[in-house]
Amino acid sequence: SYELTQPPSVSVSPGQTARISCSGDALPKQYAYWYQQKPGQAPVLVIYKDSERPSGIPERFSGSSSGTTVTLTISGVQAEDEADYYCQSSDSSGPHVVFGGGTKLTVL
Amino acid sequence: QVTLRESGPALVKPTQTLTLTCTFSGFSLITRGMCVSWIRQPPGKALEWLALVDWDDDKYYSTSLRTRLTISKDTSKNQVVLTMTNMDPVDTATYYCARIPGDSSAGVYYFDYWGQGTLVTVSS
Repeated sequence: SYELTQPPSVSVSPGQTARISCSGDALPKQYAYWYQQKPGQAPVLVIYKDSERPSGIPERFSGSSSGTTVTLTISGVQAEDEADYYCQSSDSSGPHVVFGGGTKLTVL
Repeated sequence: QVTLRESGPALVKPTQTLTLTCTFSGFSLITRGMCVSWIRQPPGKALEWLALVDWDDDKYYSTSLRTRLTISKDTSKNQVVLTMTNMDPVDTATYYCARIPGDSSAGVYYFDYWGQGTLVTVSS
């Protein structure tokens, strides 16, 4: 079955740039999406179609794609950005949604 | 505005069937491209996609759980129902419903609005 691979954890100091990667074989052909989830809350969409930002999401959140890897970049990280981040895509055979294993972002 | 709310039992016994209802507002599931999906998250673990139903009543299921899942919609009530048979303690999780916006007609599937989730515990 199709899988998306994320690092389990990323740590940065406030004001620095955090980069969270997600790799998967179908990513060159399928869009990727990113969700932020804080403890006890539902996920929130922060990036869609690889690099688009929904309204209300701060400009410090951006997404990029290169081959089989997509990256969520948070510039000027703030304490409030500490959360779990999940990438999501679909496999190439249809609307079968796949999530990555999640990355815990710690703001030191 | 768009809202989704999950409802169902908080506790089920092993081997029982779980029935969850997603009641939504602010959009219509007869709009081309619109879908509603179920996703779950065991405590401390990652999100897992379960199933979706689209505006045309097409249904898609997780490959690993497809034999246990049934999804249906009632457009008159703005509800989507998920049933999962033969529940086991490993199915203990928070179950979310979420909206997939109209891009699905172009093969684009993502979740722009989520319910708050409902915790289901499987225990005897």
